[in-house]
Amino acid sequence: SQELEQSPQSLIVQEGKNLTINCTSSKTLYGLYWYKQKYGEGLIFLMMLQKGGEEKSHEKITAKLDEKKQQSSLHITASQPSHAGIYLCGADSLDSNYQLIWGAGTKLIIKP
Amino acid sequence: KAGVTQTPRYLIKTRGQQVTLSCSPISGHRSVSWYQQTPGQGLQFLFEYFSETQRNKGNFPGRFSGRQFSNSRSEMNVSTLELGDSALYLCASRPLGSRVSTDTQYFGPGTRLTVL
Repeated sequence: SQELEQSPQSLIVQEGKNLTINCTSSKTLYGLYWYKQKYGEGLIFLMMLQKGGEEKSHEKITAKLDEKKQQSSLHITASQPSHAGIYLCGADSLDSNYQLIWGAGTKLIIKP
Repeated sequence: KAGVTQTPRYLIKTRGQQVTLSCSPISGHRSVSWYQQTPGQGLQFLFEYFSETQRNKGNFPGRFSGRQFSNSRSEMNVSTLELGDSALYLCASRPLGSRVSTDTQYFGPGTRLTVL
């Protein structure tokens, strides 16, 4: 069955620094979604990528889907305390028409 | 447009009891999915409903059940609660909810269930 692996599991970054989170799929990605979650709250949609090579940006967050469509990266430029949280990637499952599969999440801590 | 709403936000129950959680999707969204989130297991898919029909189900015991009403609102029920059922239960809605449509899933704030 299809799996999503996120790396790193956790990240501590000095405020102002750049960082990258990766999401790798065991199968070709059909639709890839990035979400952010504050502890104990719901997931906030960031962006969706579908086409190989596609790149989208939202404020200081940029996500890209590689050409082979098996990996996505999320890049944050000049990190701020508001970027702290858990980042999750999700993808339309190739094993089921009506289900998203999820990575385990990356916990991001921003040091002031 | 109002977002996905879930009630109640917090719930404390004891082992053996049952609980019903409610979810109202974004207006016009017909697909509703439920997830269980725990620190150890991450986000686990429970089931997905579309037009009052369960289209997909995750690997959870039969104690976990759900339904969807004609207005797309959904409920999930957990019977005979166990300590391990303590978790954040998240509901999410999408317009159509299929791989073909690749429409975005939006989440509610969740219901925090504590089983004592």
